[in-house]
Amino acid sequence: DAGVIQSPRHEVTEMGQEVTLRCKPISGHNSLFWYRQTMMRGLELLIYFNNNVPIDDSGMPEDRFSAKMPNASFSTLKIQPSEPRDSAVYFCASSQQEGFGNEQFFGPGTRLTVL
Amino acid sequence: KNEVEQSPQNLTAQEGEFITINCSYSVGISALHWLQQHPGGGIVSLFMLSSGKKKHGRLIATINIQEKHSSLHITASHPRDSAVYICAVWANSKLTFGKGITLSVRP
Repeated sequence: DAGVIQSPRHEVTEMGQEVTLRCKPISGHNSLFWYRQTMMRGLELLIYFNNNVPIDDSGMPEDRFSAKMPNASFSTLKIQPSEPRDSAVYFCASSQQEGFGNEQFFGPGTRLTVL
Repeated sequence: KNEVEQSPQNLTAQEGEFITINCSYSVGISALHWLQQHPGGGIVSLFMLSSGKKKHGRLIATINIQEKHSSLHITASHPRDSAVYICAVWANSKLTFGKGITLSVRP
């Protein structure tokens, strides 16, 4: 398996633009997680899905952020409109079983810069 | 609110040394994860613990539920172990990360 795939790897955009980050989890994994990492705040959980259903989105910073998982092999994280404070590395991870009691496999991350 | 503290903040060791990294938390937990983040930014999950001890190669992770404390041990450290080690705790339906410890192993 190729592991968790994220695209794009780098994104530079201007304030106000819409940004869409994509994630393909490992085949057969039932849980998917979106994280954000900044120097100031470290790693933060944004949202996670079990069997394509969003379970906890309390970490999503505000309404400008939305995440979907239309099927077991694809998820998106959208920011609209983007702001400079959204600049961060966004990681997607998946695990074989539901929840946080299992090993997670991380994607390489998407480095987002909002100018 | 769960507080997760990691110590020491930064650590420099000589190749071959035995290294211990600590993680303390403040509430009862369901699971604890140790993550390794390489200088290039990639994150690898090292261990998931809910009790006891786990070993993988030169790495050993222990957790003491009563004392709300976990340790990550590296035996015979090597420069390729240089990374940031992050503790993450799952408790009360919330995942809380420690700030991470930067380990540098000198040849």
